[in-house]
Amino acid sequence: AQSVSQHNHHVILSEAASLELGCNYSYGGTVNLFWYVQYPGQHLQLLLKYFSGDPLVKGIKGFEAEFIKSKFSFNLRKPSVQWSDTAEYFCAVHSSASKIIFGSGTRLSIRP
Amino acid sequence: DAEITQSPRHKITETGRQVTLACHQTWNHNNMFWYRQDLGHGLRLIHYSYGVQDTNKGEVSDGYSVSRSNTEDLPLTLESAASSQTSVYFCASSESVTTTGELFFGEGSRLTVL
Repeated sequence: AQSVSQHNHHVILSEAASLELGCNYSYGGTVNLFWYVQYPGQHLQLLLKYFSGDPLVKGIKGFEAEFIKSKFSFNLRKPSVQWSDTAEYFCAVHSSASKIIFGSGTRLSIRP
Repeated sequence: DAEITQSPRHKITETGRQVTLACHQTWNHNNMFWYRQDLGHGLRLIHYSYGVQDTNKGEVSDGYSVSRSNTEDLPLTLESAASSQTSVYFCASSESVTTTGELFFGEGSRLTVL
């Protein structure tokens, strides 16, 4: 069965630190990949998505993610985090075999 | 502006009672989904619908049902609430996952079953 793994459950960083959140999926076919963000008390919003083409995709608020097919990974990155990036981040995968499946989420806490 | 609204936002009920969570979207999207969010599990799909009169089971559908009588609404019913169904429930809609690539989420409904 298709699955999505986010190994970092809680990440704590200081402002201006660089961020990388891991996401791995298990499915051998063509996939569409997403990162969603949930700010405290709010609903989920799309951060960025990958369907095809350039494996390095850029999203809102300076976030980017790189699709590495050989590693079944779609890690989220940001060069310099801000306090306002405090949120929970969800990786999601959609394939022809399934609906959108979400990972368990990574809580990001930023120390001001 | 188009939106997706859920009601109630908070509800406390007792074990064994029937509960219905409402979801209404004005995006005119064909696809609608119900997820539950639990610590350590992320979002898990309960039920989904690709159009009027279409409903499908997700990965955690036991104890839940949905109906789709029009494009705008997908109510989620807990037939006999159990404490294990205490959770935050999110409704979402999409025009098409493969073309727009985006799910639009409601604000969530926090359900407590005592």
